Amino acid sequence: GAVVSQHPSWVICKSGTSVKIECRSLDFQATTMFWYRQFPKQSLMLMATSNEGSKATYEQGVEKDKFLINHASLTLSTLTVTSAHPEDSSFYICSASPGDGTQYFGPGTRLLVL
Amino acid sequence: QQQVKQSPQSLIVQKGGISIINCAYENTAFDYFPWYQQFPGKGPALLIAIRPDVSEKKEGRFTISFNKSAKQFSLHIMDSQPGDSATYFCAASTDGSSNTGKLIFGQGTTLQVKP
Repeated sequence: GAVVSQHPSWVICKSGTSVKIECRSLDFQATTMFWYRQFPKQSLMLMATSNEGSKATYEQGVEKDKFLINHASLTLSTLTVTSAHPEDSSFYICSASPGDGTQYFGPGTRLLVL
Repeated sequence: QQQVKQSPQSLIVQKGGISIINCAYENTAFDYFPWYQQFPGKGPALLIAIRPDVSEKKEGRFTISFNKSAKQFSLHIMDSQPGDSATYFCAASTDGSSNTGKLIFGQGTTLQVKP
């Protein structure tokens, strides 16, 4: 149980384009999902907290107009990287909580912006 | 005060040995302490977690020891195996019984278990 999926697992795009990443909780409902970014050999950096049906809460320093988050249902949250640039290249990971404080992570999405 | 400090940064253990990773925190409001295992190119997987009302929790070969007064907690991997080679992250959160608790991660420990 407690499986979280992400799609796509990797994506390559041209600079200036937008990329959408989906995060789904497959076997539980998640009123809250979290989006993280991870650079090579570094820890996870929380970008935003996403609550179903409401606006996401962004961490300090994260541009909300750059990283659009939508949590349309209890099992789906999306992260859209708008007008992507090479510095946005990273490993993006989502997590979902079934309501007990536990966070289950997705497999991650590797984004490369050329 | 929101930091979680993890050590060592890297660890090499012989097969069958005990791997020990330590974490320390300052915020006494933290009430949920999970450990995650991450393989290269994959998302973190929840290994084991503890709340401050107990001093130790064991699941298979993995044990968390928690010292509330010292504000420290550690992960012990008994009978370490080459398949345990991965990066391990400790974390802490406040309001850990609800959806709103944000996880504060340690810096990570890269474990290598030699055959």
